[in-house]
Amino acid sequence: DAKTTQPNSMESNEEEPVHLPCNHSTISGTDYIHWYRQLPSQGPEYVIHGLTSNVNNRMASLAIAEDRKSSTLILHRATLRDAAVYYCILRRVRGQNFVFGPGTRLSVLP
Amino acid sequence: EPEVTQTPSHQVTQMGQEVILRCVPISNHLYFYWYRQILGQKVEFLVSFYNNEISEKSEIFDDQFSVERPDGSNFTLKIRSTKLEDSAMYFCASLRPGTSGGMSETQYFGPGTRLLVL
Repeated sequence: DAKTTQPNSMESNEEEPVHLPCNHSTISGTDYIHWYRQLPSQGPEYVIHGLTSNVNNRMASLAIAEDRKSSTLILHRATLRDAAVYYCILRRVRGQNFVFGPGTRLSVLP
Repeated sequence: EPEVTQTPSHQVTQMGQEVILRCVPISNHLYFYWYRQILGQKVEFLVSFYNNEISEKSEIFDDQFSVERPDGSNFTLKIRSTKLEDSAMYFCASLRPGTSGGMSETQYFGPGTRLLVL
């Protein structure tokens, strides 16, 4: 699987937008970009995924660079509940398991 | 919304004992996974299971580990002779088939079983 690089940690203030970056310069044409998050003492939770176009759902937005070598997860208004480790993962269309990196630990300050 | 469930939530065992961790995947899912997470470390893939057989496994998944789907609803991970280093959170996950017949990419994770080997 292609590798992703994320900052180890980020901080945000409550109710402000958060942009979590991910670099994936070796991405292939069939790799989907997935974002999961892990709240303290819980299992990973699906956030969003995309292939080429930007994606929006009720949790977040995913902005994918035109060359697909990077992407950004956008939380439009961070809440204290959004404090978690966020994982950016690449997965082939017919791939099986996810390969988790260390992720970005997001702290949200009141 | 349907969810993956796991039992027990916590298990303490003595080194050398066998443990069985249980998972009930979401009912119409076809692909099943076990991952583990040692305290303070990243989530690691153990094994994937499809059509009643292992489809992929990692180096961690050695002869001490086995998986089974005994009754069409439960999905179990057995560790035959536990070691201290098996202490970790174990997560089960399942994946739903795509609506067009292809494979959807979203895995749903359970809350985990915290295993402590003494």
